[in-house]
Amino acid sequence: DGGITQSPKYLFRKEGQNVTLSCEQNLNHDAMYWYRQDPGQGLRLIYYSQIVNDFQKGDIAEGYSVSREKKESFPLTVTSAQKNPTAFYLCASSSRGPSNQPQHFGDGTRLSIL
Amino acid sequence: ILNVEQSPQSLHVQEGDSTNFTCSFPSSNFYALHWYRWETAKSPEALFVMTLNGDEKKKGRISATLNTKEGYSYLYIKGSQPEDSATYLCAPDAGNNRKLIWGLGTSLAVNP
Repeated sequence: DGGITQSPKYLFRKEGQNVTLSCEQNLNHDAMYWYRQDPGQGLRLIYYSQIVNDFQKGDIAEGYSVSREKKESFPLTVTSAQKNPTAFYLCASSSRGPSNQPQHFGDGTRLSIL
Repeated sequence: ILNVEQSPQSLHVQEGDSTNFTCSFPSSNFYALHWYRWETAKSPEALFVMTLNGDEKKKGRISATLNTKEGYSYLYIKGSQPEDSATYLCAPDAGNNRKLIWGLGTSLAVNP
């Protein structure tokens, strides 16, 4: 079945450590997105990519980095510069950006600090 | 970032009741409005993407309307069923450089 796969489901980060969250899609979608969810807040956009080898900062990009070397993959690195990384992270894709097509979501990764 | 407001925050209804929720958003620079259903332990699922003022879309017992001039959208569920229990999110593309702004959602619980 086509869909979006995020891994791992749970991730723990030590102080000063970078961690990478994986997001893979087999929907042949051009656009991909990373969101962060915190209690009491709506989904916030971290980074998005409308095409391979191109990506833009979202509303809360500081402390994060991404790459889009392949159409199906959009990994998110949470760097040590992100001082409050504990959150639920969702990856999504759409056939094209920016907003006229529905987004399809993965099951999410929950990141916690050790 | 401009605000999106969804009301009510939560709702409890009995099976068979019809219900509706509201999404209010900035009316300037509007491009599209998305509705999603997010069930516990699952990923958000797209319901509708609406772009035109006066648009009305329907999917089974769920329908939505859009008023871009006054900046609101209604989501209706006719004859609620327990499987409709979820959080319903709206996300307009309006005045945020072509990025969706996500509401906090309306949490619906349907009692059998």
